[in-house]
Formats: sequence, C-alpha cells, structure tokens
Amino acid sequence: GESVGLHLPTLSVQEGDNSIINCAYSNSASDYFIWYKQESGKGPQFIIDIRSNMDKRQGQRVTVLLNKTVKHLSLQIAATQPGDSAVYFCAESSGGYQKVTFGTGTKLQVIP
Amino acid sequence: DAGVIQSPRHEVTEMGQEVTLRCKPISGHNSLFWYRQTMMRGLELLIYFNNNVPIDDSGMPEDRFSAKMPNASFSTLKIQPSEPRDSAVYFCASSPQTGTTEAFFGQGTRLTVV
Repeated sequence: GESVGLHLPTLSVQEGDNSIINCAYSNSASDYFIWYKQESGKGPQFIIDIRSNMDKRQGQRVTVLLNKTVKHLSLQIAATQPGDSAVYFCAESSGGYQKVTFGTGTKLQVIP
Repeated sequence: DAGVIQSPRHEVTEMGQEVTLRCKPISGHNSLFWYRQTMMRGLELLIYFNNNVPIDDSGMPEDRFSAKMPNASFSTLKIQPSEPRDSAVYFCASSPQTGTTEAFFGQGTRLTVV
C-alpha cells in the first residue's frame, strides 16, 4: 500500500470548477479500486468504485479513471460545490471484495 | 436505519487499563470491519468478520487487541492493556453482502490513552 505521512496533500478549487484528485497505487493484483470521502469528524463515505478490468466509470457528478499501465487512479468531480470539501481516499481491494487497503488521502478545499 | 452505531464516541483512559469499543452494524449486513485511523498510519484494517466469523485478523497490531462478534448485531474491540500509542480513532463499518466494496462506516470512537 501507499506510505502515510503527517501532511495530507491539499487541492484548492474554486466553486463551480471541476476537481481532479489523483492516486497512485502499488498492487497490480487489486480487483477493485474505490474512492471514499471523509468529512471532518465523520467516518468515510463510499463514493464510487471501479473494477480492475475497466478504465472508466461515471456516477453522479463523479468520474473515476483507471490507468493500469502507470498504476494511476483519478477521481473527477464536476462543478465542485462547498459540500465537496473533505478528505478523499483512494482504496484498493484484492483477494476478495472486502479486504480494502486505504491510501493516504487528499484534502479538497472548495473556495466559495 | 440509524446506520452503524459506535460507542462510546470518546474515551480517555490511563495506560494499562482495559478499553472496550462497541459496534452495532446496520441490520441485515453480514460483514463487519474494524479500522484504526491515525495521522501517521492513515486508515488501517484491523479485522473483519463475515456472518459473525473472523475472516482476517492480520491487521490486528498485537495480542493486546482482540475482537469478538457474538451475534449479527454486536461486535467489540478490546485493548488490554492499553498504551499511549493506541490513541487513534477507531471505526467500525458494515457491508450488506459479499460482492460489493461499499462499506458503511460509523462515526468512530476517539480513543486517548494517557
């Protein structure tokens, strides 16, 4: 999995703009890649997942892209809103759906 | 449904004391997970259960940690004896079925060991 540091990378985005949050993963054998959102003082909340044999999946205002060649995952949020401010975690599961390993997280700040 | 319910929300205890964290999963969910979150190590999976049976406890840091799930609606995570380095937020999550990656997290228990 990814290493964890003391400081979360931060992405600042103007309200209404699109956000792109990136994640590098290490396990080529992962079956699923997942994005979670964590607001301050709350538990993580599932956003969207993508199976390893896909390269793109769309949800409501969100799109996840998977590039297995460079082991890169991204989450795109369209028309970012103040309520999108949170820490976003990429995660991966392997050897079954439920053993999920979380990455470091990226803090998204939406500027009104 | 009220979601995953954890108690207590906050716990402050002295080093050496036993700590018990509690979790009530969402009714009908048959998978339950315990995670620990710290600034240094992020979110770590400690253990998970399927149908009340522990499946993988490889994330449990050491023998001081133990988890039980006596029935489908209740689980505990116990630390005995507690140490300052156990200070963290502990999350419980549940999932409705195998074949899904979506887990529903509780609000967490913030544990401080002094």
